[in-house]
Amino acid sequence: DGGITQSPKYLFRKEGQNVTLSCEQNLNHDAMYWYRQDPGQGLRLIYYSQIVNDFQKGDIAEGYSVSREKKESFPLTVTSAQKNPTAFYLCASRAGGATTGELFFGEGSRLTVL
Amino acid sequence: AQSVTQLGSHVSVSEGALVLLRCNYSSSVPPYLFWYVQYPNQGLQLLLKYTTGATLVKGINGFEAEFKKSETSFHLTKPSAHMSDAAEYFCASHASGGSYIPTFGRGTSLIVHP
Repeated sequence: DGGITQSPKYLFRKEGQNVTLSCEQNLNHDAMYWYRQDPGQGLRLIYYSQIVNDFQKGDIAEGYSVSREKKESFPLTVTSAQKNPTAFYLCASRAGGATTGELFFGEGSRLTVL
Repeated sequence: AQSVTQLGSHVSVSEGALVLLRCNYSSSVPPYLFWYVQYPNQGLQLLLKYTTGATLVKGINGFEAEFKKSETSFHLTKPSAHMSDAAEYFCASHASGGSYIPTFGRGTSLIVHP
């Protein structure tokens, strides 16, 4: 089955540690996105990538980094510079055109900082 | 900048009652609008979308939405709520001018009482 796989589903981190969240898709989509979800705040865009080897900052990129070396993969690193990293992280890819293409989401990764 | 506003962070209905979830958009140019549903601890999945053409859009699970330019609205409805409809619902926009980055409303939690 085609889809988006995020791992790990749950992750605990000590303060000062970097962690990397994995996102893999086999949908052959060019565009991929990372969102952060906090209660009552909806989804906020962290980074996005329209094509391999290119990515752009979203609204809340500070304290995060990404890479896009392969079409299938768009990992997100939460660095120690992110002051409040506890959240639910969602990866998505887009089918079709920028205006009409729907987003396909992974099941999310829940990060808790101890 | 294109944005969507969802009125009401929580909506409570009885099983069998009409469901109405409100979404308004801000733009002088007709946007491309989407409704997504999120079940607990999962990613989002597409319910329906409006791009061009017919303003009444039918989606999965008996939901539909009507694009009303005069009211800048794209409200989601379902004639009869089921217990399984309890979830978080997000209105989203892919702006038609400038940046084609999907942006989301803050979400509305639908509670269905037996």
